[in-house]
Amino acid sequence: LAKTTQPISMDSYEGQEVNITCSHNNIATNDYITWYQQFPSQGPRFIIQGYKTKVTNEVASLFIPADRKSSTLSLPRVSLSDTAVYYCLVGGGSGGGADGLTFGKGTHLIIQP
Amino acid sequence: DSGVTQTPKHLITATGQRVTLRCSPRSGDLSVYWYQQSLDQGLQFLIQYYNGEERAKGNILERFSAQQFPDLHSELNLSSLELGDSALYFCASSVGALQGADTEAFFGQGTRLTVV
Repeated sequence: LAKTTQPISMDSYEGQEVNITCSHNNIATNDYITWYQQFPSQGPRFIIQGYKTKVTNEVASLFIPADRKSSTLSLPRVSLSDTAVYYCLVGGGSGGGADGLTFGKGTHLIIQP
Repeated sequence: DSGVTQTPKHLITATGQRVTLRCSPRSGDLSVYWYQQSLDQGLQFLIQYYNGEERAKGNILERFSAQQFPDLHSELNLSSLELGDSALYFCASSVGALQGADTEAFFGQGTRLTVV
């Protein structure tokens, strides 16, 4: 099971782009990289998932370098409502089961006006 | 709304008691996952079921058990409750069992259990 390392907390201002980097040095060939967002007292919510290079959806982008030992979640033009905990997960593929849903401590992102 | 329904939303009970938490997955999802989240422990994976069978086990105590029924809803049973069992319990569901392999999990709103 690939362990992930993320910043404990970050802060930024409204309208800025925020990048949260996750290290996963022991990522396996079949592992995917998934990011979840969690607001207080709510269940985590899927943001984005990728395997390599760059993935973009309506809320975020995910950058994965060629060696896949890290990944960066990019949130464009954040707002106060983006204040949440962001989790980076690595797993899945042939590992199966819930390996892809092992949550670390996450990054507490605080957006200020 | 994720489509995953958990009941009850809140539960207060005394130490030593037994409770059952219920989860209805999204329509069509075969996998159900249970998580415990307390203030100091983060999200702890407890157990996963896929199409009625146990698929993976995490840090689930022997006092806790779960099952997934033929209609795919799941129940988490917590017995001999202790003060330290107070937490948010989340259920999640996904289409397949290979979580992370180009699939995503949908979480319910959780059940807040308070043991007094």
